[in-house]
Amino acid sequence: QVHLVQSGAEVKKPGASVRVSCKASGDTFPTYNVHWVRQGPGQGLEWMGIVFADGRDTRYTQKFRDRLTVTRDTSTSTIYMDLRSLRSEDTAIYYCAREEDHSFNFDHWGQGTLVTVSS
Amino acid sequence: QSALTQPPTVSGSPGQSVTISCTGTSSDIGSYNHVSWYQQPPGTAPKLIIYEVTNRPSGVPDRFSGSKSGNTASLTISGLQAEDEATYFCTSYTTTYTYVFGSGTKVTVL
Repeated sequence: QVHLVQSGAEVKKPGASVRVSCKASGDTFPTYNVHWVRQGPGQGLEWMGIVFADGRDTRYTQKFRDRLTVTRDTSTSTIYMDLRSLRSEDTAIYYCAREEDHSFNFDHWGQGTLVTVSS
Repeated sequence: QSALTQPPTVSGSPGQSVTISCTGTSSDIGSYNHVSWYQQPPGTAPKLIIYEVTNRPSGVPDRFSGSKSGNTASLTISGLQAEDEATYFCTSYTTTYTYVFGSGTKVTVL
């Protein structure tokens, strides 16, 4: 059974950076891609980016391309999302989600991490 | 990439069928069968209920079904039950090798 456990809530000031982690359990970690999706207060889901199974290749939506970095540490089965130059509009719940073997869907999700950006 | 278009709300009585549409473009839904649907009750993470347009993961009731025609995908819930109250999101792979979500549809069981 796959579990994705995310780090705890964060409060940041505008202009700061945040790192959210997503630790995976299970021995298939090297074989799947991990996506990041966010959801603003009362809003819909927004796809942000992906780190592929090899850990070297990433892809981000245009909106976040200049301030988002997603990395993975195979030794600890942990994926990291770094978002820089935070603004109030970045206040949201951030989810990691697994995509197994180029299945083009997200079959397991983390519990979500609330990031609040406020002065 | 603009969000896929879904109706904000859909409602039905227990036992009825409801259908949620998800309209995209030739750059997403119209180009691929990589359309999936997610159910999100309040305060919880989304859950995959349909993938590759029509497929259900193990454990998802067969009253959930999906289809696609052109640039529009649809999710049908047959035999609506109280536990189906949630917000439903579609998503599609796109020709820029990214993903786009729908705006979300809140399903209310009357």
